[in-house]
Amino acid sequence: AQSVTQLGSHVSVSEGALVLLRCNYSSSVPPYLFWYVQYPNQGLQLLLKYTSAATLVKGINGFEAEFKKSETSFHLTKPSAHMSDAAEYFCAVSEGGGSYIPTFGRGTSLIVHP
Amino acid sequence: KAGVTQTPRYLIKTRGQQVTLSCSPISGHRSVSWYQQTPGQGLQFLFEYFSETQRNKGNFPGRFSGRQFSNSRSEMNVSTLELGDSALYLCASSPDRAITEAFFGQGTRLTVV
Repeated sequence: AQSVTQLGSHVSVSEGALVLLRCNYSSSVPPYLFWYVQYPNQGLQLLLKYTSAATLVKGINGFEAEFKKSETSFHLTKPSAHMSDAAEYFCAVSEGGGSYIPTFGRGTSLIVHP
Repeated sequence: KAGVTQTPRYLIKTRGQQVTLSCSPISGHRSVSWYQQTPGQGLQFLFEYFSETQRNKGNFPGRFSGRQFSNSRSEMNVSTLELGDSALYLCASSPDRAITEAFFGQGTRLTVV
């Protein structure tokens, strides 16, 4: 069975500061991993995905994430936060060729202060 | 290329009524999944259709049902609505059997009163 844990339901940073959103996963097979962003009253937009290629994945809007198998982690980072980054972020895992329906974490709300 | 379109965007229904939500996937996408999003439970998988067949089903009661048409458009139906069915219902489409990337619509906000 697959599962995702996002540490921290809320993360608050100042504009220009480093953004770090944590995600740990559990999967019985090599996983596919995703980060999505959701703005108020909108659907989810894919930021980036890991599908067993390079462990450091670059996404849109300056975000990147690193797959660390030994730590079963897939943390999302951005060097410098923008006010427009304020949103809900979801980490998701799917088991590729197995049960490929993604399981989503509970989400982390990113708050950016001026 | 048009994105995933969900209609209506907002809906208010009374307890006991039924509701039908619609989802038009990205052109060429054959897989459509439905999710329920609530503050308390987060994103929960309802079901997934591929080429008009339900391939996967989440842990929801039989009041929740869906179907997919030959043009890949999908509908989900909720009968005998309960207050707890109030949620944002999201549809996602994918191009193939292995969901390596899901494209989400903006959702339908259902309020049951």
